[in-house]
Amino acid sequence: NAGVMQNPRHLVRRRGQEARLRCSPMKGHSHVYWYRQLPEEGLKFMVYLQKENIIDESGMPKERFSAEFPKEGPSILRIQQVVRGDSAAYFCASSTTGAYYNEQFFGPGTRLTVL
Amino acid sequence: QKEVEQDPGPLSVPEGAIVSLNCTYSNSAFQYFMWYRQYSRKGPELLMYTYSSGNKEDGRFTAQVDKSSKYISLFIRDSQPSDSATYLCAMSGAGNQFYFGTGTSLTVIP
Repeated sequence: NAGVMQNPRHLVRRRGQEARLRCSPMKGHSHVYWYRQLPEEGLKFMVYLQKENIIDESGMPKERFSAEFPKEGPSILRIQQVVRGDSAAYFCASSTTGAYYNEQFFGPGTRLTVL
Repeated sequence: QKEVEQDPGPLSVPEGAIVSLNCTYSNSAFQYFMWYRQYSRKGPELLMYTYSSGNKEDGRFTAQVDKSSKYISLFIRDSQPSDSATYLCAMSGAGNQFYFGTGTSLTVIP
């Protein structure tokens, strides 16, 4: 019974390159959330998606960041033209519904390092 | 002002001690309060949740919410070395977002 899966677990990019982070939700979950965790900071909400729809992207930086959750396949968080400040752990969570009281199950995270 | 404030610690206690972890918040719309535990290099996992003011107990763990003071606590009794982790408080209201504290790093010394 696999939990939330994220890959890669570690990603190294040079400034200006693109980073693609993947998240496969738990079986039966159709709601996906992306969070960013910077050193010494808590998890910060970035975006909430359902299949083929972005529901809430209020936490996403306006430029260079995008997310999708296609009908088939994993959810993708894409960071274009990465900068050193993008270095962080990115966590994906999934839930059965989008209700505020519904448990979000977290993946192990992708640690992005920008050189 | 941050939505959720949490003392980052670090907190170091001897095995068997009672641990108290706390968070304050500013948004009175929050209705759902959670504690997550995060081991090093892992994703957070839900430890406890509660909807309302009062206490909720689960084994060695007790979650306490005081909505009038906008203050939540997690107590760990008879702490064990395996409890060593970062503890994150989180809360949500009518929207989709969970708001997390910065986390408190706890070390239980054998």
